[in-house]
Amino acid sequence: DVKVTQSSRYLVKRTGEKVFLECVQDMDHENMFWYRQDPGLGLRLIYFSYDVKMKEKGDIPEGYSVSREKKERFSLILESASTNQTSMYLCASINRPGPYGYTFGSGTRLTVV
Amino acid sequence: GQQVMQIPQYQHVQEGEDFTTYCNSSTTLSNIQWYKQRPGGHPVFLIQLVKSGEVKKQKRLTFQFGEAKKNSSLHITATQTTDVGTYFCAGPIAGTYKYIFGTGTRLKVLA
Repeated sequence: DVKVTQSSRYLVKRTGEKVFLECVQDMDHENMFWYRQDPGLGLRLIYFSYDVKMKEKGDIPEGYSVSREKKERFSLILESASTNQTSMYLCASINRPGPYGYTFGSGTRLTVV
Repeated sequence: GQQVMQIPQYQHVQEGEDFTTYCNSSTTLSNIQWYKQRPGGHPVFLIQLVKSGEVKKQKRLTFQFGEAKKNSSLHITATQTTDVGTYFCAGPIAGTYKYIFGTGTRLKVLA
């Protein structure tokens, strides 16, 4: 089974801190995604990457950046955390569309105080 | 921009009752996917529908893709407490691997 591992399940950070959320997948998938999930808003795409060092903005990229130096690792960076970035962050990967769908990590619940 | 809407937002049912959630896209979709997220968990892929009018079944779950490929539904027959969770549909942005997720339907099953 494909595994997508997010480094932290829960994280509490202070306003203004630089925050790194790490995601690693073990099945050589080309495409990786960062979503945030908020009640009533569903899952919203922040950034995605279709190859090493390649990235593309999603629907809500403001305040975030990403890094993909290796195929298996996709990092989400909050340059200066703010309270409105308190959310559940979900990483996902997929090799190519098919009857497989995304494989999601367990999520990181980030609280910015 | 492309939108995927889902209704209802919440549904409470008695165990044994049926449940349906509906998904509508602002654009024609090449395929639609459904996911289930248990409370405290992460979304798990259930199924993908590709063909116009396609109907697929997984035990008590029936998935349907509309003829115009702009809407879809998930129907659960005789709900059980294990069905509790949030059900999401997702449609791809044309020509990409990016999926737009619906807002989800949160199902509670009362024993």
